[in-house]
This record gives sequence, C-alpha cells and structure tokens, in this order.
Amino acid sequence: DADVTQTPRNRITKTGKRIMLECSQTKGHDRMYWYRQDPGLGLRLIYYSFDVKDINKGEISDGYSVSRQAQAKFSLSLESAIPNQTALYFCATSTGWLAGASNEQFFGPGTRLTVL
Amino acid sequence: DQQVKQNSPSLSVQEGRISILNCDYTNSMFDYFLWYKKYPAEGPTFLISISSIKDKNEDGRFTVFLNKSAKHLSLHIVPSQPGDSAVYFCAASGAGNQFYFGTGTSLTVIP
Repeated sequence: DADVTQTPRNRITKTGKRIMLECSQTKGHDRMYWYRQDPGLGLRLIYYSFDVKDINKGEISDGYSVSRQAQAKFSLSLESAIPNQTALYFCATSTGWLAGASNEQFFGPGTRLTVL
Repeated sequence: DQQVKQNSPSLSVQEGRISILNCDYTNSMFDYFLWYKKYPAEGPTFLISISSIKDKNEDGRFTVFLNKSAKHLSLHIVPSQPGDSAVYFCAASGAGNQFYFGTGTSLTVIP
C-alpha cells in the first residue's frame, strides 16, 4: 500500500466551484506539504504544516486554504476555482529535520485538476 | 522570483555515457540540497542529497557536486541507463524549513 495517498487522482471542475483535495499518509511524519506543478515552473509550495497545530503559507497560497485534520491528513481547498489553478497537485510528507539524515520528502502520486 | 534554476529543460545522452544535470541557486542561506527523479503519472522520488558542509556526495551511479562559491550544484549519472529517463528536479532548503524546487530537466537516455 502507498505511504502517501491523494484523492481524487483526477478532477475536472468549473470556474467558481469549491473543491477539496485530500492527502493521507501512513508514514507517521509530522510535516506535510502541498505543491503544484506547472509546465516550465517546476514545483511550487502552496502551504506546509510542521504539526497538527502549525500551518504556514508557501510561495503561492493565494486562492487556496488548508486544513490539518490529524497528523495523517492534510487537505487543500480551492474556495472558488479559476482556470489558472489548472495544474498537477502533489502532497508530500517528511520527518522533522535530522542532522546527518537525508531529510527527503515523500510525495503522493498527484492529483490532476482541470478548471474549465 | 525563482530561487532555484535549472536552465536546461531537456538533455539527451547515449546509454553508458555520463549524464550531467545542472542547478543554480541565488539564496546564500540555502544549506541543504536534494535531487528528485520523477516518472510520468508518479510523484517525485528522492535520489540523493548534500549538505553545504560537503562538496561531493556519492551513491552508486549518482554523484552530486556542490560549488558554494558559484551557487551551483550538479548531478552526475555514470553510466546512464535507459531506466534513468525521467524528469529531474533539484531542491534547496535553508535551516530545514521549506524547500524550493527548480523547474526540472527532462533526461532521455538513448539505448
């Protein structure tokens, strides 16, 4: 079973609709992240959370909100979707920073969102 | 403003030869760097990392070099294999906080 899962995997919606993307992890990590990938722009951080009570804005948080319901769950919401939010969205997790460790992030498989 | 840049969108190499992927950064506070590999329809997966206290880290066929004065890092893959064909992202972090990713380089290894 995948350690980081995202639902849905694909979603088509219309401008103005509210949509929620969900992320669950079984890795027991405290830190969770939401990124979006656009062609030519790489991965950009939307929001991140270092524990259940900690939520931080990333580079491109406008138009998005998040909820950390539990250590294992981190949801991303688009309150009123617009076409330029069409992108591939990734959730990721990591441990707290450990000196000498690889400190990598573990990514989910992604959600392809299309806003018409 | 892009703090981590990968100026080559694509790279093609022959199987068995060396692949060199480059990454530049602008923020001198970055002290930890990683490379990820991404196949289509999958999330990125971790490949190799390096701390700013080192200038080289090696893991099998993969070596990352860091030149702090030039704010440049590179990933060497030797020998390249067809299964290495993927998009490669470099990422940087300062003080263990958020990571900044480059735009990616699509590597094609020709059999």
